[in-house]
Amino acid sequence: QKEVEQDPGPLSVPEGAIVSLNCTYSNSAFQYFMWYRQYSRKGPELLMYTYSSGNKEDGRFTAQVDKSSKYISLFIRDSQPSDSATYLCAMILNSNYQLIWGAGTKLIIKP
Amino acid sequence: GAVVSQHPSWVICKSGTSVKIECRSLDFQATTMFWYRQFPKQSLMLMATSNEGSKATYEQGVEKDKFLINHASLTLSTLTVTSAHPEDSSFYICSARDMSATYNEQFFGPGTRLTVL
Repeated sequence: QKEVEQDPGPLSVPEGAIVSLNCTYSNSAFQYFMWYRQYSRKGPELLMYTYSSGNKEDGRFTAQVDKSSKYISLFIRDSQPSDSATYLCAMILNSNYQLIWGAGTKLIIKP
Repeated sequence: GAVVSQHPSWVICKSGTSVKIECRSLDFQATTMFWYRQFPKQSLMLMATSNEGSKATYEQGVEKDKFLINHASLTLSTLTVTSAHPEDSSFYICSARDMSATYNEQFFGPGTRLTVL
């Protein structure tokens, strides 16, 4: 079993829809949880990070962490075609700096 | 936000040659940089952790003599793929950790696409 599980998709939704992206993990020691966006042939770009359980909102993006369920989510409201990309979740232990990655979900927003 | 550059952005080389990829943090200092490779439609795979002034730490299965890493300053790390072969063709991405960040945020470079003929 992988430490971080993420459905690779692709996930295809119409423009304007609310998108829900999710990851589950097995190591309860993870403290920081990140979402990265990666366009084709580009490096990942940090979208959101949260520390421990809770919600964090930034514009159209909301990151949610449920440590009791070992489950994190990224919600995108009013999705746009420019949101089409691969979204990777990543987690980090508080004892070192190594990111543990999900497989990435390819998101397609149809105009 | 912090900027990390990589050079070159793409390179094509003949089998058996060596290729050097540079990773620079442009507006911050980074004691730690990371090197990843990514195959098509797959997630990033950490190859090694590069620490300024000391030897890199390689992940299991990564040949340290094949992938030479040098982190000579707080803003520059290099990855040299020695005697490259077609199976080394991949997308190589570096990241740098901002020393001044309140948490361990890593900023990623744009990646280098290596094609070995």
